[in-house]
Amino acid sequence: QVQLVQSGNEVKKPGASVKVSCKTSGYTFTYYDINWVRQAPGQGLEWMGWMNPNTGNTGCAQKFQQGRLIMTRDTSINTAYMELSSLRSEDTAVYYCVRGRDYYNGMDVWGQGTTVTV
Amino acid sequence: QSVLTQPPSVSGAPRQRVTISCSGSSSNIGNNAAIWYQHLPGEPPKLLIHYDELRPSGVSDRFSGSKSGTSASLAISGLQSEDEADYYCAAWDDSLNGWVFGGGTKLTVL
Repeated sequence: QVQLVQSGNEVKKPGASVKVSCKTSGYTFTYYDINWVRQAPGQGLEWMGWMNPNTGNTGCAQKFQQGRLIMTRDTSINTAYMELSSLRSEDTAVYYCVRGRDYYNGMDVWGQGTTVTV
Repeated sequence: QSVLTQPPSVSGAPRQRVTISCSGSSSNIGNNAAIWYQHLPGEPPKLLIHYDELRPSGVSDRFSGSKSGTSASLAISGLQSEDEADYYCAAWDDSLNGWVFGGGTKLTVL
């Protein structure tokens, strides 16, 4: 079955960077986008960005367009990565990788979540 | 302030029917599909409805989605205690070039 398994929880100091991995299985990695969504404590879901694992092309929400968010992949091991730099307390959240389909079918399969505490 | 607007909370008694609304604009729900997620505490969100009204395999037919213009709704019939969760609507936004979510609606089963 389709699975997205994320790396473990992280504790970081303000100003540091964090890199979360998302290992996929059960489908062809390059056929579907990988999105990153986060949820801060007591808040709702916030979409951060997407990556096309085939081309490496990415797009992100306006608040991350200053270059703080970097999404990459390693197609040899079917794994996507999300790196967030210049961390601040407001970045404390659960981060999810999510398989994306299209504008009609949405994001369908979610990773288990990685808690990042700043 | 979320791009999509949902009520913060709804409630209903067991076996009753509740609806959750999601209001957007022509750049998101008005031009793209409404998607709904169920988020139980301690779990990742689960896709409940896609393409406005379609249920993925395995989702109970007690959940139904609809859309009219720039608004969408999720209906849950035959409420059960296990339905207590946060529910989020989402859609692709053509102007923002990204996915947008509603603020979430907490469902309480009385």
